[in-house]
Amino acid sequence: QKEVEQNSGPLSVPEGAIASLNCTYSDRVSQSFFWYRQYSGKSPELIMSIYSNGDKEDGRFTAQLNKASQYVSLLIRDSQPSDSATYLCAVYYGNNRLAFGKGNQVVVIP
Amino acid sequence: KAGVTQTPRYLIKTRGQQVTLSCSPISGHRSVSWYQQTPGQGLQFLFEYFSETQRNKGNFPGRFSGRQFSNSRSEMNVSTLELGDSALYLCASSIDLNTGELFFGEGSRLTVL
Repeated sequence: QKEVEQNSGPLSVPEGAIASLNCTYSDRVSQSFFWYRQYSGKSPELIMSIYSNGDKEDGRFTAQLNKASQYVSLLIRDSQPSDSATYLCAVYYGNNRLAFGKGNQVVVIP
Repeated sequence: KAGVTQTPRYLIKTRGQQVTLSCSPISGHRSVSWYQQTPGQGLQFLFEYFSETQRNKGNFPGRFSGRQFSNSRSEMNVSTLELGDSALYLCASSIDLNTGELFFGEGSRLTVL
């Protein structure tokens, strides 16, 4: 069973602060990892992909990967109200098949 | 460029009926995958098609089936509907054979009464 765990409950952060989201996965052979954002009532959209250990930055988003610890994280710097959404961690298992975590809801308070 | 289009957007069925959902991928995308999203289980993989071939299938009963046509459009079918099949069914397309970078449609929300 390929599992992706996002255990944190809803995260409330003040506007301008850093939101930190974590994700662990069970399958050591996984090589590709993604973060999708899903606004309420909308479909998921890809915001970050990471394939190598270390950090990857894209604008206000930073993804971090540690394959030895089977751990992926997402940092959102200078959080904005428009960042309020559910963030889904996804692990790739080939043939365009993704296993998703259940998501973390982020609420940015103005 | 048009996105992934799913029809119908909303539908209500009763137990025992069957349903067919349709998905048109982004032009040029040949991989189409289907996911079920529920509050309790989150997003779960149903199946993926590339060039009319099912390459991968998730852990769902045989009541769930799909197909892909030569123009990459895809349909999924659920027979003998159960209350637990109520969910948002999301279709996603990808330009490449093997990237994991998916573009999702807005989904078809199925309610089974």
